[in-house]
Amino acid sequence: SAVISQKPSRDICQRGTSLTIQCQVDSQVTMMFWYRQQPGQSLTLIATANQGSEATYESGFVIDKFPISRPNLTFSTLTVSNMSPEDSSIYLCSVIRLGQAVFGPGTRLTVL
Amino acid sequence: GENVEQHPSTLSVQEGDSAVIKCTYSDSASNYFPWYKQELGKRPQLIIDIRSNVGEKKDQRIAVTLNKTAKHFSLHITETQPEDSAVYFCAAGDTGTASKLTFGTGTRLQVTL
Repeated sequence: SAVISQKPSRDICQRGTSLTIQCQVDSQVTMMFWYRQQPGQSLTLIATANQGSEATYESGFVIDKFPISRPNLTFSTLTVSNMSPEDSSIYLCSVIRLGQAVFGPGTRLTVL
Repeated sequence: GENVEQHPSTLSVQEGDSAVIKCTYSDSASNYFPWYKQELGKRPQLIIDIRSNVGEKKDQRIAVTLNKTAKHFSLHITETQPEDSAVYFCAAGDTGTASKLTFGTGTRLQVTL
């Protein structure tokens, strides 16, 4: 299965600040996905990151709040901007490997 | 967009018994249905998936059934063991692949001795 790493693994941030989360994959992939898992909740797709084009955002998520970069086929970043306590969640990146979605270890974000 | 409902939210079974988790979906275009297991503090791990061209798939103690007409699919775990205790999520996708998955709300399974 794909080896996916994320940095940081966790962080505690003050409201109003921004945090950039990195996702590194062990091989080239066309699409990378960013999900959010709020405390005790399910996973919700934030956006799809394609190399060489703008990310595609799902309903309820906007680029100003969650800007995404995809500089190459093995790396992506998600920034959580102007954070509030409601942004406290686990953020997971995901790629498709052999037709199946594989998830990174997640970044646990706490906003005070 | 797609909406996936999952029941029950919690399930407690005795070791050795069977567990069944059910999901319904709304979009008839959905054609890929994976199930994930998430242990506390860990990432979701795929345990089984099914595509809409089959009605049932089995892998050792785990099986998934799909009823496209009724738009529902179920996870069956037989001979449950304590290590099966986790949160299970169903999901649906409409691209024939695992991209853009819509997840159910999750079922917390507790297997007691």
